[in-house]
Amino acid sequence: AQSVAQPEDQVNVAEGNPLTVKCTYSVSGNPYLFWYVQYPNRGLQFLLKYITGDNLVKGSYGFEAEFNKSQTSFHLKKPSALVSDSALYFCAVRDTSPRSNDYKLSFGAGTTVTVRA
Amino acid sequence: GAVVSQHPSWVICKSGTSVKIECRSLDFQATTMFWYRQFPKQSLMLMATSNEGSKATYEQGVEKDKFLINHASLTLSTLTVTSAHPEDSSFYICSARAGQGGAQYFGPGTRLLVL
Repeated sequence: AQSVAQPEDQVNVAEGNPLTVKCTYSVSGNPYLFWYVQYPNRGLQFLLKYITGDNLVKGSYGFEAEFNKSQTSFHLKKPSALVSDSALYFCAVRDTSPRSNDYKLSFGAGTTVTVRA
Repeated sequence: GAVVSQHPSWVICKSGTSVKIECRSLDFQATTMFWYRQFPKQSLMLMATSNEGSKATYEQGVEKDKFLINHASLTLSTLTVTSAHPEDSSFYICSARAGQGGAQYFGPGTRLLVL
């Protein structure tokens, strides 16, 4: 079984400060990992993904995430947050094990980010 | 980037009527499409997975006769909520993927309100 945990329901930061949104995962094989952002009454926007290769992945809007296999984590980071980054962020994982026969995404519960001016 | 559209974005209907929601991949061919349901301030709940030309695979607890899914082409999937009731009111989001290794791209969502 695959699962994702986002331990923080909310993250509050001041504009210009670094932003980190935490994510840990559990899979039986190797993971594909994704971050999405959702604005109110909107669908999810893709930010970045880790499939293979460099552990540091750079994505849209200045976001990046680091894959850490030993800690089974994929934290999302931005060096300098903007007020417009305030949104709901979802981490997702897909198990690539041959025994995982559905290749479906599992989502974390989401983390609400609020960036204050 | 890949774009997925949904239509309509909002729909209000009377109890007992059926509602069809369309999901289109605009600039890529989606071999697989997914339908999710999201309740306020909650994560996405996968309802079903559909591969082009095949019957949809429904998640446990999702009534396939109530939520009819058709994936007739590589760019279009439809979700029909049959005989809608107020408890079906929700935010429905579709997602499309090209190939197993690709990212899923999400539509903007459809807000359904059943009166």
